[in-house]
Amino acid sequence: EAGVTQSPTHLIKTRGQQATLRCSPISGHTSVYWYQQALGLGLQFLLWYDEGEERNRGNFPPRFSGRQFPNYSSELNVNALELEDSALYLCASSLGAGVYNEQFFGPGTRLTVL
Amino acid sequence: DQQVKQNSPSLSVQEGRISILNCDYTNSMFDYFLWYKKYPAEGPTFLISISSIKDKNEDGRFTVFLNKSAKHLSLHIVPSQPGDSAVYFCAARRPGNQFYFGTGTSLTVIP
Repeated sequence: EAGVTQSPTHLIKTRGQQATLRCSPISGHTSVYWYQQALGLGLQFLLWYDEGEERNRGNFPPRFSGRQFPNYSSELNVNALELEDSALYLCASSLGAGVYNEQFFGPGTRLTVL
Repeated sequence: DQQVKQNSPSLSVQEGRISILNCDYTNSMFDYFLWYKKYPAEGPTFLISISSIKDKNEDGRFTVFLNKSAKHLSLHIVPSQPGDSAVYFCAARRPGNQFYFGTGTSLTVIP
């Protein structure tokens, strides 16, 4: 069974541009989580989608947004990129919204903002 | 702000001995705690978890202890094996499925 996949693996953008990151969950998983891991920090919760709806978001500005498609894949969009947005972005999926549903992580997208 | 803290960036242990990884948290709203293991170039993988209503959970060589009064979580690995060498993240959940992660502890098990 295929795991969580993310694309692209690496993304280089310049300040002010927009970045789009993609995530495909494990088949049958309806929940998708997005995290940011900046240098020296733990994973920071960004967004949680379940069944196509945004269920919760972390303490990030509105220029971080996303969506979940009917096939449960997800996109993270970052507008008006700033240098400090450079980070590893991890996506995770789980079977549903339950507390004890294990999250399975993808390998991440490394975003570099120049 | 970092609500989950792992103050030891690295730990080295001899094969066969106990590895103890520590984690502190600040938010009393956390109701579920997890440990993840991460190898280079891969995403974290779930290892073990504990609900806030328990103080211990065991799974084979891995045991997680929760001290709610001290807001402290620890992972014990006994006996440690070279394949356990990885970065370990502790995580905590707030209602609404907001998960907070520590910065990780890099464990090296020396053969």
